[in-house]
Amino acid sequence: GAVVSQHPSWVICKSGTSVKIECRSLDFQATTMFWYRQFPKQSLMLMATSNEGSKATYEQGVEKDKFLINHASLTLSTLTVTSAHPEDSSFYICSASGRGGRTDTQYFGPGTRLTVL
Amino acid sequence: RKEVEQDPGPFNVPEGATVAFNCTYSNSASQSFFWYRQDCRKEPKLLMSVYSSGNEDGRFTAQLNRASQYISLLIRDSKLSDSATYLCVVNEGRRALTFGSGTRLQVQP
Repeated sequence: GAVVSQHPSWVICKSGTSVKIECRSLDFQATTMFWYRQFPKQSLMLMATSNEGSKATYEQGVEKDKFLINHASLTLSTLTVTSAHPEDSSFYICSASGRGGRTDTQYFGPGTRLTVL
Repeated sequence: RKEVEQDPGPFNVPEGATVAFNCTYSNSASQSFFWYRQDCRKEPKLLMSVYSSGNEDGRFTAQLNRASQYISLLIRDSKLSDSATYLCVVNEGRRALTFGSGTRLQVQP
């Protein structure tokens, strides 16, 4: 099956710093990538949808200036958490769908666990 | 009201037991339905799609009732390795997926 990687797998940072998370599709072209966030004992919540070469569409309540998303190529999307605070500590997961296979199939990355001190 | 609702559990069952999970969704225009499995601190992994005609994959059987907006998952002959959180997932037609909060299953020896 399709493989999606994320880097880093975990990160600990001080409050006020920015953190960049990369999501890569390794063996297919991801026309659309999704960024989710999951707090403990809660469901995955969609943060934004990004299509290659265009601006991301953010869900209601997600600050686009705080969570910067770039989808510059068909294999890479990045999420930058700017000026991170402890309440941003969460499990961030990307998924990708693309050319070939079912259009409603999403392939998930392994997630990035962010802890902000 | 949550868009996808599940009983959070936990369901504690002995090995070999049959266990059923239920899920309801609020958007009648939802187009496709899935069960995902998520292990602790890992990403969700697709277990199976769910079709109106019902579908089976080994020990797992999924059912969809569109009229009642209800989805079920049946696991027969539970194994220790089935212990995980099972997520009911709906595609509401906009490509992004809507996740339930999950039902935790613990299979005990």
